[in-house]
Amino acid sequence: EAGVVQSPRYKIIEKKQPVAFWCNPISGHNTLYWYLQNLGQGPELLIRYENEEAVDDSQLPKDRFSAERLKGVDSTLKIQPAELGDSAVYLCASSSRALGTQYFGPGTRLLVL
Amino acid sequence: DQQVKQNSPSLSVQEGRISILNCDYTNSMFDYFLWYKKYPAEGPTFLISISSIKDKNEDGRFTVFLNKSAKHLSLHIVPSQPGDSAVYFCAASAKYGNKLVFGAGTILRVKS
Repeated sequence: EAGVVQSPRYKIIEKKQPVAFWCNPISGHNTLYWYLQNLGQGPELLIRYENEEAVDDSQLPKDRFSAERLKGVDSTLKIQPAELGDSAVYLCASSSRALGTQYFGPGTRLLVL
Repeated sequence: DQQVKQNSPSLSVQEGRISILNCDYTNSMFDYFLWYKKYPAEGPTFLISISSIKDKNEDGRFTVFLNKSAKHLSLHIVPSQPGDSAVYFCAASAKYGNKLVFGAGTILRVKS
């Protein structure tokens, strides 16, 4: 069974530029999560989707961050414009309603110059 | 407000010995706890979990213990192997499948 797929794996951009990350969850998983991980810290939830619906986006900085999960499968996380402090690893995870355990993708490492 | 704390940033253990990683939490609403292992440049990999109705869960070399009164859990790895060297994250949620709150991680080094 394929795991959670994320792309790109690495991204370097200049500040004020836009950037987008893509996630394909494990087949059949209806819950999708985006986490942010800063260096030396654990992941922190940005947004959680149940199918197409964002059910918890309280930690998403909505002035510059946006996310979508069309058709309840793939998801895209966007930052516009990026700031220096956005340099981090962006992790996507998914879980099935029955199991609940979250499985993570490899992450996208973002560097904002 | 750190709801999940891993107070040891790093741990070094000899191959074959026991590794004990500790985690404390403050939110009494947490009822599901997990341990994840993370290698460099990879995402966290699920290792083992425990619900609040249990005090112990075992899977091969890995055992998680939960002490609800002390709001403390620990992960025991016996015997430790060099391939276990990684960052270990403790995580908790208030509802199965809900958002996870992570600790800052503990770097485990197993020396051969």
